[in-house]
Order: sequence, then structure tokens, then C-alpha cells
Amino acid sequence: AQSVTQLDSHVSVSEGTPVLLRCNYSSSYSPSLFWYVQHPNKGLQLLLKYTSAATLVKGINGFEAEFKKSETSFHLTKPSAHMSDAAEYFCVVKTNTGNQFYFGTGTSLTVIP
Amino acid sequence: GAVVSQHPSWVICKSGTSVKIECRSLDFQATTMFWYRQFPKQSLMLMATSNEGSKATYEQGVEKDKFLINHASLTLSTLTVTSAHPEDSSFYICSASWGKNIQYFGAGTRLSVL
Repeated sequence: AQSVTQLDSHVSVSEGTPVLLRCNYSSSYSPSLFWYVQHPNKGLQLLLKYTSAATLVKGINGFEAEFKKSETSFHLTKPSAHMSDAAEYFCVVKTNTGNQFYFGTGTSLTVIP
Repeated sequence: GAVVSQHPSWVICKSGTSVKIECRSLDFQATTMFWYRQFPKQSLMLMATSNEGSKATYEQGVEKDKFLINHASLTLSTLTVTSAHPEDSSFYICSASWGKNIQYFGAGTRLSVL
């Protein structure tokens, strides 16, 4: 069975400080993992993806995530938060045997000026 | 990246009427399209998966007669909410995929049923 756990429903950081959004997954097979961002009343935008290549994945807008199989984690990080990063972030897992995406419950990121 | 267009972005309708939402892949052929529902401040809930030319596969608990999905071509899927009621008010998001690894999402449709 596949599932995703986003450990924090809400994260608040000051502008210019690092961002860490945590995600743990459960998958019976080698998974593909994604982070999507959703701004208010908007659709989802792909930030980055891991599909069994390099374990450190760089995405758009300065975000990156590291796939750690031993910890079954795929945490999203950014060195310095920007006001425009305030949004909802979803961690997603997909097995390579199917075409379904399994969404985490989301983490709401607030950036304080 | 690939572009998925969803229309309308917001629709308000009276209870008992039907509403159609369109999802188009603008620059690629989507072999599979997905429909999600999102309640305020919650995650996305997969409603159904549709492959071009075949019947949609609905998730458990989703009424297929209530939420009609048609995937007539490789670039268009439609979701029709039949006899809408206030409890159907929600944010509906489609996504499209041509391979097995990435889904590209539309901007969503806000449905408000009065």
C-alpha cells in the first residue's frame, strides 16, 4: 500500500530564513515522489520530482528535496524563504507500477515579513 | 512545461441544475486524465481516472451517476455534476498525463451551488 504523511499541517518562518517541510512515505515498491505547490484558489504547480535518479533533487524557485530510502523521507527545503513562497505544499507518492498519485494532507507555509 | 486548461474557473448554479467542467491538455496528448475534489483547507481527493475512449474508473464512494466523466479525445475530458446540490459545492481540479510519472494540473474550478 502507498501513503504519504506530511508531519506538519502548518509551518511558519520568517522571510530570509530556511524552510523545511517534512514528508514521509510508505510504498511497497520503488516510488516516484513529488512536491506540488498550490497558491490560494489556484491549481497545483510541480516543484520537483524524484524518479529513481539522483537522490538530491533540485526544483524551481530554489526548492530542493532529498530522497532518503533508509528514513522513507522526502523532505522539502529552501535556504531562504521569500514572501511569495507562502502557499500550500503537497507531497505526493506514486508507485512505478501504476498511474495513481497519493497526496499528503498538505502543509500550509506562512512567511512572516 | 505542459499546459492544462480548465474551464470555467468559477461557476455558480441553482440547486438541481447540471454543470459541466472541461479539462483540456493544450500542448500534449493526454492518455489519462484525473479528476479531484478539494474541500477548503484539505488535500485533494481523487474522484476518478479516465483513459481516452474508455469508461472512467471511479474511486470508492464516488457516485458515477452523479459525476459523469467523458474522455472523448486525447486532449479533452469533461466532468458533469448532475442535479447539483449545495453539498456538491467544492473546488474541482483535473490533471492530465501522457506517461506514468507526471500529472499536470489545471487551475481548478470553483463550484458554488445555491
